[in-house]
Amino acid sequence: AQSVTQLGSHVSVSEGALVLLRCNYSSSVPPYLFWYVQYPNQGLQLLLKYTSAATLVKGINGFEAEFKKSETSFHLTKPSAHMSDAAEYFCAVSRSGNTPLVFGKGTRLSVIA
Amino acid sequence: EAGVTQSPTHLIKTRGQQATLRCSPISGHTSVYWYQQALGLGLQFLLWYDEGEERNRGNFPPRFSGRQFPNYSSELNVNALELEDSALYLCASRGYPGGISTEAFFGQGTRLTVV
Repeated sequence: AQSVTQLGSHVSVSEGALVLLRCNYSSSVPPYLFWYVQYPNQGLQLLLKYTSAATLVKGINGFEAEFKKSETSFHLTKPSAHMSDAAEYFCAVSRSGNTPLVFGKGTRLSVIA
Repeated sequence: EAGVTQSPTHLIKTRGQQATLRCSPISGHTSVYWYQQALGLGLQFLLWYDEGEERNRGNFPPRFSGRQFPNYSSELNVNALELEDSALYLCASRGYPGGISTEAFFGQGTRLTVV
């Protein structure tokens, strides 16, 4: 069975500071990994995905994530936080290209001016 | 190109009633997934439909059911509504152009409130 653990239900950073959202996964097979963002009262938007190509994945809005198999991690980073980054972020894993995504519980990011 | 569309946006039902939620996938996408996002519980996988067949279901009681139509749109039915069913229900779709899966695209969700 696959699972995702997101450390920290709420992360607060100052505008311009580094954003680091943590995600650890459990999977019996090489996983597909995703980060999604959800703004209030909206659906989920894909930030980036890892599908066994390059381990450093660049996404939209300046976000990137690094797949580390030895640590079973897929942490999301952004060098400089912007007020518009305030949202809920979800890490997800799937066993293959079409099997259902298994989500972590999410991390709410607050950006302080 | 239109994204995943869900209707209605909001739905208020009384305990014990039935709710029907609808989802239209992106054109060309054949897989539809349903998720429940209840407060404090994250996104829980409900159902997966592909090519008109139910492929997998999550750990939910049988009163959660659905179907996929020939045009790949989908319907989620929740019978005998309970207060705990109040949640945002999200639909996602995936396509397989050239046999390679796209990522899952999500709709805006249906907010179901059971009173």
